[in-house]
Formats: sequence, C-alpha cells, structure tokens
Amino acid sequence: EVQLLESGGALVQPGGSLRLSCAASGFTFSNYDMSWVRQAPGKGLEWVSAISTSGHSTYYADSMRGRFTISRDNSKNTLYLHMDSLRAEDTAIYYCATKDSTNYYYHWGQGTLVTVSS
Amino acid sequence: EVVLTQSPATLSLSPGERATLSCRASQSVSGSLAWFQQKPGQAPRLLIYDASNRATGIPARFSGSGSGTDFTLTISSLKPEDFAVYYCQQRSNWPYTFGQGTKLEIK
Repeated sequence: EVQLLESGGALVQPGGSLRLSCAASGFTFSNYDMSWVRQAPGKGLEWVSAISTSGHSTYYADSMRGRFTISRDNSKNTLYLHMDSLRAEDTAIYYCATKDSTNYYYHWGQGTLVTVSS
Repeated sequence: EVVLTQSPATLSLSPGERATLSCRASQSVSGSLAWFQQKPGQAPRLLIYDASNRATGIPARFSGSGSGTDFTLTISSLKPEDFAVYYCQQRSNWPYTFGQGTKLEIK
C-alpha cells in the first residue's frame, strides 16, 4: 500500500524558513516524480512544485519560484520542500502527492500544517 | 501559466438530480485534464483523468468530457456522498494548475 507521510509543519514568523519532509513507502520511490500541493485554510488547492525521479528536473509555481526549493533523497525514500522568506499567505496545509499509471495525482499524504504568523 | 476557471462556484442540488460542472482553460490543454473530489478534512481523490477516463474504483455515475479549453464533469444521479468540492487540474503545461473549485451542496 502506498503511504506518504508529511512532517515538519510548524508555526514560523514572517521572513522565516522551514523544511517539510514526506516519507514514502509501499512503492519504488525512485521511479516516480513527486510533487507538493498546498491548501490555505478554507481555500482551494494550489499546485506548488514537482521534481523528477532523479531530482535533476524541478518545477515551481510562479509565486514560489526563488523562495521554495524541492529536493529528494532516493536512498531515504524522502521528498523535501525547503521554504524561505515565508509570508502570511504561505499559511496552508502542504500535501505531498505522486502519480500512478494514469500519470495524475492518485496518491496523497494527509498533509502538514504550516502557519506563518508573528 | 494556464488559468483554469470553474463554474459555478457553488451548485445547490438534491440527491437524485444531475450535476454539471464546468472547467475552462485560458489556453488549450489538449486532453490533459483531471477532476478531483475533496471532502472536509480529507486529501483530494482522483475521479477523472485525461478528461474522460474514470480512475480506479470511481462509480459510473461520474463522467468527464471535453478537450482543448472546455471541460465538463457530470454526475448523473447525485448520491448523498457526492456533496463535496470538485477541482479540475491540468498537466499539459508547467506549472501545473488547479481550478478554484466548485462546491456541490445539498439543496
């Protein structure tokens, strides 16, 4: 069974940094692209970032490029999202997700909450 | 980036009725569009992929259609468990994007 377990969410001050992790199990992690999607409280889904199987290709939403860095450690079956210069509008639940054979986001974690506030 | 605009924002219907949700893209995404369902406190669930294919385990009352810039999700006869928020998502162009969602509520 595919499992994605996010961690690292916390209360952080504006301008601060945070690193999220997503531990994967139940599938061959190194064979799948991985992504982050977020959801602000009471709002819709917002695609954040994606990374290729090797980590050599990365993609970002326009509003996060330059502040967020996605990475992965295939030896640890773990996906990361490093976030700098955090703003109040970055407050959200952050989900990690991966595709199945449909090539769409079939598997999702339960999310980790990031709150940016002074 | 591709902007996906969903309509209506809220749809009020009764069980047994037919629901029609729309998603319009700011530029062609070909057939590379999915629909998700999300219930409170839960992660999204993939319903439809490549515009018209049901994901594993999705009931036949859910169907998708469209290509290019105009897409539709139809629920033929609503069941109580179908009342939720629905999102479209494109994977034709980077960055991937989601629509803002349609809330399907009980009338």
